[in-house]
This record gives sequence, structure tokens and C-alpha cells, in this order.
Amino acid sequence: AQSVSQHNHHVILSEAASLELGCNYSYGGTVNLFWYVQYPGQHLQLLLKYFSGDPLVKGIKGFEAEFIKSKFSFNLRKPSVQWSDTAEYFCAVNAGGFKTIFGAGTRLFVKA
Amino acid sequence: EAGVAQSPRYKIIEKRQSVAFWCNPISGHATLYWYQQILGQGPKLLIQFQNNGVVDDSQLPKDRFSAERLKGVDSTLKIQPAKLEDSAVYLCASSQGSRTGRMNTEAFFGQGTRLTVV
Repeated sequence: AQSVSQHNHHVILSEAASLELGCNYSYGGTVNLFWYVQYPGQHLQLLLKYFSGDPLVKGIKGFEAEFIKSKFSFNLRKPSVQWSDTAEYFCAVNAGGFKTIFGAGTRLFVKA
Repeated sequence: EAGVAQSPRYKIIEKRQSVAFWCNPISGHATLYWYQQILGQGPKLLIQFQNNGVVDDSQLPKDRFSAERLKGVDSTLKIQPAKLEDSAVYLCASSQGSRTGRMNTEAFFGQGTRLTVV
């Protein structure tokens, strides 16, 4: 069955530190990949998405993600985090069907 | 553009009672989703509509949950009777959709309804 794993449930960083959040999925076929963010008290918003083409995808607010097909991974990165990046981040995968599966989420706390 | 509207924002009910949630998607969006998000977990798709037809309801507990989107616009999700384990945030999302129904466009989420069953 299709599944999504996010490696870290909680991450604490200082401002200006680099960020990488891991996401792995289990499905061998064509996938659409997403990262969503939920800021405190707000609704889920799309950070970036990958459908095809360049496996390095750039999203909003300086985030990027790299699709590595051989590793079934879609890790999220940001070179220098800010306090305002404190949020919960969800990886999601749509694997050829109609259903999009979400990971359990990673809570990021950035210390000012 | 107006976002996805959900009501109510919060609901507390006793077990075995019934409850209904309402969602109004972004105008023109053909695809509507209901997700359940239990504390500490990611959103789980309950049901997906394409216009007024059901595309996927494989994870909807049909003995107690029901959903409809009669006119292909707004939607209601009902739980009857509720159980303690139904306590969660119920998220509605919509997207423009596509001919195949795949979620290949951005999904816009509402604020959610936080349900507590006591």
C-alpha cells in the first residue's frame, strides 16, 4: 500500500541554520509530490509541488525540494531558516490514483 | 479570491450523538476533499468528490460517516453516531481538478472543524 514517511517529528533550529526535512514514499510508479505547511493557527498551504521535469523544485519563501526517484525521496530544504518558519510541514504523495497520502508531519521550531 | 469556508470551527458533542460539518469550496473548483486529521498525525482522506460524484471513499467509515455534494458546490459531512475516536480536525479542501480526477493542481484547505467527542 502507498505510504509516506517523514523522518523527524520535531526539529529545533536556531535562526540562520540550514534545514532539511526528510520524506520517503513507497510507490514504484509515477508520482506527484507536495510539501504543505501549516503555520500556527492557520490552514494548510502549499509550499511546492513536483509533477515532472526538473527534479529540483523551488517553492515559496526560499524553500526547495529535490525528487530522487531512485531513493523514493522528496526532501525539503532551506539554506537559512527564520523565526517565521516555525510551523508544521507535511509531505504528500499522489501515486497514480485519485488519493493523496500525507505524512505524519514534522514540527519545526526556530529559535530567535 | 475567497478561500475554502468551513463551519463550525469547533464542536463538542457526547458520544453517540450526531454532528454535521459544512464546506463551501472555492468557486469553480470541481474537486472537493474531506480529510480527517487526528492529533499527531497527517491528514487522512475520507472522501473525494469530482463535481457531485464520489471519486474515492475507500477510507470513509460508512457505517457512521456520510457525505454529500448534491449540487456539485458545497458539501456536508455527517457522523452518526459519534465515537470517542472521531475526535479530530476535519479539513475540507478543493482544487480545480482535471478530466482524470487526479490531484495535479494545488489543493486549497479550509481552517478545519475541530471536533471533540466526550
